[in-house]
Amino acid sequence: NAGVTQTPKFQVLKTGQSMTLQCAQDMNHNSMYWYRQDPGMGLRLIYYSASEGTTDKGEVPNGYNVSRLNKREFSLRLESAAPSQTSVYFCATKEAGLETQYFGPGTRLLVL
Amino acid sequence: GDSVTQMEGPVTLSEEAFLTINCTYTATGYPSLFWYVQYPGEGLQLLLKATKADDKGSNKGFEATYRKETTSFHLEKGSVQVSDSAVYFCALIKAAGNKLTFGGGTRVLVKP
Repeated sequence: NAGVTQTPKFQVLKTGQSMTLQCAQDMNHNSMYWYRQDPGMGLRLIYYSASEGTTDKGEVPNGYNVSRLNKREFSLRLESAAPSQTSVYFCATKEAGLETQYFGPGTRLLVL
Repeated sequence: GDSVTQMEGPVTLSEEAFLTINCTYTATGYPSLFWYVQYPGEGLQLLLKATKADDKGSNKGFEATYRKETTSFHLEKGSVQVSDSAVYFCALIKAAGNKLTFGGGTRVLVKP
C-alpha cells in the first residue's frame, strides 16, 4: 500500500500562474486535509474534507480552493499564485472516529 | 482559540545526551495530545500520543506525560542517537474534533 501520495514533489510557479496539487490515499479513510508548513509556524490547516462530498475551510483558506473528487482523492488549487504561497504543502488523512492523521511526503512550492 | 507552544530550536546535542522538548497548550475541555516527528525530506509521522490526564505516551525510547494541571506534554528521551535528528511537533485535537492544532516545531540535531 502506498498510503498517502502527493504530486508533484516540487514546483516553481510565476506570480499569477495557477496549479493544482494532487493528493491520493489508499487507506480508505473518510477525512482528508491540506496543510501548509512555514518556518517557525508549524502546520496550518488550509481546508479539510470530513467525508466524500463535503469540504470546509481551515485556518488559512484565502487564495485556495479544494475538490474532494472521490473518497481517495483531494486536490488543492491555487488560481493565481502569489509569493506568499511559497511553502511546503502536506496532505493528510484520518479514519472516522479516530484521532491519528497520516501524512503524505509533501509538495514544495516556490512562487517567484 | 486553541494553541500549542513549544520551545524554539534548533536544539543541538551530542549522541547519548538527554533530550527534553517543552510543550504547553491552551484549549477548552480535554484534548488529546500528540507528538509528531518529521525526518529530513519526509512527511510527518505520529511518534506518540496521550488521550487523558496522567496518560504517558511512549515510542522508540521517547516518552511524554499528559499533565493537565500544568497544561503540558513535554517530550523526553534518555539517550539520543544521530538518527533522532528531525523536527518534532507537538499537537492537540479536541474531543470529537476533526482538526489538529500544531505547535511551531522544534528542530533537533544530534551530533556523533
